[in-house]
Amino acid sequence: EIVMTQSPATLSVSPGERATLSCRASESIYTNLAWYQQKPGQAPRLLIYGASTRATGFPARFSGSGSGTEFTLTISSLESEDFAVYYCQQYNSWPPFTFGQGTKLEIK
Amino acid sequence: QVQLVESGGGVVQPGRSLRLSCTASGFVFSSSAMHWVRLAPGKGLEWLALISYEGLDKYYADSVKGRFTISRDNSNNSLYLQLSSLRPEDTAVYYCAKVTTPYSSGWYFDDWGQGTLVTVSS
Repeated sequence: EIVMTQSPATLSVSPGERATLSCRASESIYTNLAWYQQKPGQAPRLLIYGASTRATGFPARFSGSGSGTEFTLTISSLESEDFAVYYCQQYNSWPPFTFGQGTKLEIK
Repeated sequence: QVQLVESGGGVVQPGRSLRLSCTASGFVFSSSAMHWVRLAPGKGLEWLALISYEGLDKYYADSVKGRFTISRDNSNNSLYLQLSSLRPEDTAVYYCAKVTTPYSSGWYFDDWGQGTLVTVSS
C-alpha cells in the first residue's frame, strides 16, 4: 500500500500571503496525484489532477507541481475563501486509493 | 450538471446494519466507476470501496472488507453501500464519488455527493 504523508498538519497564513503545502508518497506515483479542497460541512472538491492540472472553477493562484514521490500545492496569494482542508490522493497503485491525512489551512 | 445525492444515514446500534444509497444524475452513470469515501470526526478522508462501471469488479479497503458491500443498479442510476457489523469507529460522513474517465476505474474523483452521516452508538 502506498502511504501518502502531508505536511504540515496545520498551516497558519495571512490573507494575501503565499501558502505551500507538501505531499510525499512512499513510492513513486509518477504524476498520478490529485489534490482536493474541503470546507467544513461541504463535500471535497477536486482541485488539481495529474499533479499539476487545475480543475474547472479554480483560479490561477492555485498551482500544483512535482512527480515521483514529492508534490507541492501552492496558493500564491491567499483569499478568505481558500481557508480549508487540503488532501492529496494517489491513484497510481490501487487498491487502496490512499489519501494524505490532510493539511488544514487556517487564517493567521 | 452532475448531481450525486446520498441517503440512508442515521443513528444505528453497534453490530447492526445500514444501507446507504447514492442517486446520480447529469451524466451517463452506467459508464462511470464509482467510489465510497468517508470522513470520520477529527480524521481525514478514507477511501472505502470501488465498483467498476458495469458492476463486475469491486474493491475494498482492508478496514471494511467483509463488512461493507458495494453494489450498483445502472437501470436506476443508483449506487449502494451495505454496512454490516457496524462499530463506533464507523461513525462518519459517507460520500459517493464519481471517477472522471468513462469505462475506467483507476483515475481521480471529479464529482462528489454532499454526504450522509452515519452514527454508530448504543
